[in-house]
Amino acid sequence: NAGVMQNPRHLVRRRGQEARLRCSPMKGHSHVYWYRQLPEEGLKFMVYLQKENIIDESGMPKERFSAEFPKEGPSILRIQQVVRGDSAAYFCASSMGLKETQYFGPGTRLLVL
Amino acid sequence: DQQVKQNSPSLSVQEGRISILNCDYTNSMFDYFLWYKKYPAEGPTFLISISSIKDKNEDGRFTVFLNKSAKHLSLHIVPSQPGDSAVYFCAAVIAYSGAGSYQLTFGKGTKLSVIP
Repeated sequence: NAGVMQNPRHLVRRRGQEARLRCSPMKGHSHVYWYRQLPEEGLKFMVYLQKENIIDESGMPKERFSAEFPKEGPSILRIQQVVRGDSAAYFCASSMGLKETQYFGPGTRLLVL
Repeated sequence: DQQVKQNSPSLSVQEGRISILNCDYTNSMFDYFLWYKKYPAEGPTFLISISSIKDKNEDGRFTVFLNKSAKHLSLHIVPSQPGDSAVYFCAAVIAYSGAGSYQLTFGKGTKLSVIP
């Protein structure tokens, strides 16, 4: 009974490169949330997706960030042309439905050099 | 503007005693509250939640109290155990508005250390 899986767990990128973060929700879960945690901060909502649809991206920076949750395969958070300020822990959560408990993955720690 | 505040960055408690973690919120639209526990290098783990129509919810050693008029909630852990040492996040959500994405708004967390 696997939980939410995220990979990679750690990712190092140089400024200007692309970062691609993957999230596989728990079995039976079709709702995915992405959150970002900066050092010494709480988690901040970025985007909410259901299969093949972005429902709410109000927390996503307007440029360089995108997310998808295809019919098959994991959800992907993509950051283009990374900058040092993108260094953070990125957590994915999944739930069985709207207003259901969100279960979090272990996170991807992105370091931009 | 932080809508969920945990004003104590850290708390130390003796094993066997009560741990009380506090959380304040400013947005009166929040109607559902959750506590998550987080160990280093792991994701947050759901602990306990409470709806705004209740003032108390209990699950084993964990009890959450909600004071709507004060916009304040607290998590009580009795008795505290060394394995409870972690960062505890308070989170709030607008659950019953009929719209929205159920996004969680988190506080910055309180690091609890339970001393054996």
